[in-house]
Parts: sequence; structure tokens; C-alpha cells
Amino acid sequence: SQTIHQWPATLVQPVGSPLSLECTVEGTSNPNLYWYRQAAGRGLQLLFYSVGIGQISSEVPQNLSASRPQDRQFILSSKKLLLSDSGFYLCAWSFTGTGPTEQYFGPGTRLTVT
Amino acid sequence: AQKITQTQPGMFVQEKEAVTLDCTYDTSDPSYGLFWYKQPSSGEMIFLIYQGSYDQQNATEGRYSLNFQKARKSANLVISASQLGDSAMYFCAMTFVSGGSYIPTFGRGTSLIVHP
Repeated sequence: SQTIHQWPATLVQPVGSPLSLECTVEGTSNPNLYWYRQAAGRGLQLLFYSVGIGQISSEVPQNLSASRPQDRQFILSSKKLLLSDSGFYLCAWSFTGTGPTEQYFGPGTRLTVT
Repeated sequence: AQKITQTQPGMFVQEKEAVTLDCTYDTSDPSYGLFWYKQPSSGEMIFLIYQGSYDQQNATEGRYSLNFQKARKSANLVISASQLGDSAMYFCAMTFVSGGSYIPTFGRGTSLIVHP
């Protein structure tokens, strides 16, 4: 069976500090990978998605970036955090295929920028 | 542009009763997928049910069913025999094709509280 890991679970960082959130998937190959942000009481905002190693698509221009150095590893980064970067970050994966498929989410990282 | 709308910010239901959570969508693409996810207070999103745009019958998964009305562009979630553990946020989502990939977009969610 497939599992998705995401860490850290919580993070408190000062404004202007760097960020690195990591997500790994086990039990499948060549998954589609996604990073979302959820502000308090809001829906999910898609930040980045990837259909393969080194292939990253950005949905929202901002001071965040994503990388996929390995097939099942997805990293969300920032060089300098802003207060507005606070939120709940979720990583997700889905099977690749010719049609729409459901997504499977990690446990999330709650980021507070102070 | 593709859009998902959930107009009910909060819903209350008595335990063992059925509840319907509303979802409407807007797209001009003929091929799309509709999904419902549950988010308990722990934060993790849990996939519940899927309906494809070409599916003729409504999807069902245990106590969950999706009332798909294509002409009205609605995809309501019906939870039968509500349980206390159903209390959570529920999100409707749609995937549409962009650049050869299926891109998901989510509604703002509905908070469901089940009373004993």
C-alpha cells in the first residue's frame, strides 16, 4: 500500500528566515505530486504540482519554490519567509493516468511565521 | 474559468439522520472529475468519493453518495445515517485538464456538526 510522509508537523519561523518542507511517498512510482496551502477557515490553494522529476508547475506566483529531486520526493522552499506565508501546508499525491484521479494527502505542516 | 462553489459554510444534523452538502461547479470542459474530501480537526484530508463527468450513474461509497446533476452542474454529497465521527470540514473539488495534466481546484468547504 502507499503512504505519504510530511515533516515537520509544526514549525514556527521568524520573518525573513528560510523554509524547507519535505514530502515523500512510498509504495508507488512516478506519482503526481502537489503542494497546497490552507489559510485558517479557508479552502485549499494549489501552490505547485509536478508530473515528474524536475518538472514543476507553479499555480500562484509568490516567494515560495518547489523541487522534485527524486521520483517520490517533493520539497517546498522559501529563501525569506513573509508573515503571509503562515498557514497549513499539505502535500498530496495521485496516480498518473489518462483521466482525473483522487488525491491522497499527507498529515500537513502547520507553519507560523512570527 | 473553472470554479467550485460551496454555499453552506456550516451545517448541523442529528445523529442517524441524513444530510446533504451542496456543491456547484462551472466548467466548459467536457472531461472533468468531481471529488469530495473530509478534513477532521486533525487536518488530514481524506478522499471520500469520486464522480466522472461521463459517468451515467451516481457514485456511492458506503454511507456516502454523490448526487450528480450534470445539466445543473451540481455534485451534492449525501451522508446517510450520520455518525458523531462525521463531524468535520467537507470539501468539494474538481479536476480539469490544463496543459495535458488534470489540475485540481477546491471549494471553500462546509463545516458539518453532528449532534447526539
